[in-house]
Amino acid sequence: GAGVSQTPSNKVTEKGKYVELRCDPISGHTALYWYRQSLGQGPEFLIYFQGTGAADDSGLPNDRFFAVRPEGSVSTLKIQRTERGDSAVYLCASSITGTSHNEQFFGPGTRLTVL
Amino acid sequence: GQSLEQPSEVTAVEGAIVQINCTYQTSGFYGLSWYQQHDGGAPTFLSYNALDGLEETGRFSSFLSRSDSYGYLLLQELQMKDSASYFCAVKRTGGFKTIFGAGTRLFVKA
Repeated sequence: GAGVSQTPSNKVTEKGKYVELRCDPISGHTALYWYRQSLGQGPEFLIYFQGTGAADDSGLPNDRFFAVRPEGSVSTLKIQRTERGDSAVYLCASSITGTSHNEQFFGPGTRLTVL
Repeated sequence: GQSLEQPSEVTAVEGAIVQINCTYQTSGFYGLSWYQQHDGGAPTFLSYNALDGLEETGRFSSFLSRSDSYGYLLLQELQMKDSASYFCAVKRTGGFKTIFGAGTRLFVKA
């Protein structure tokens, strides 16, 4: 079956611009995670959705970052007034539920470059 | 604080056995997970330990000791395709945040 997909695969933008990154999770997965990964580092948690609601947004670095999941499936990560330090690979993952442990299925990521 | 420590790099030869260690400083977590990531690829789930002891999945095994705040991933009969980065991860109780280690880059040589 289809895995987690993310679009675009690459995004180049200029400092100060607004970007949206999209994630399509595996059908039926109620839990959705956003991470960002810098070169040579592990994924860094940003936000977790259970259904439509953001159950844990403790990883969002500041108020320039926002994410939505209005219908409980597709999610969009929105970054305002981008900065060069936002450059990273943004990963999305989904799992059947978010309780205790469930294997997380990752998408291929969106590589964001802020010039 | 919460952190997981792994060696940055490990090199081994094809056919050998390699152990990748993970020590952690975090309290109250559900269990220890391991993920594999090839260059340019997505992390993929390998193994999970909810309880202390050894879990075996084919060529891969994983171990957890909560009393020692320590776990490891054991890869047997190494193949060239095992060259990748390996991450340990925990999910804290009382929330949904998953914390990943910085990863161990495994190089398998012929």
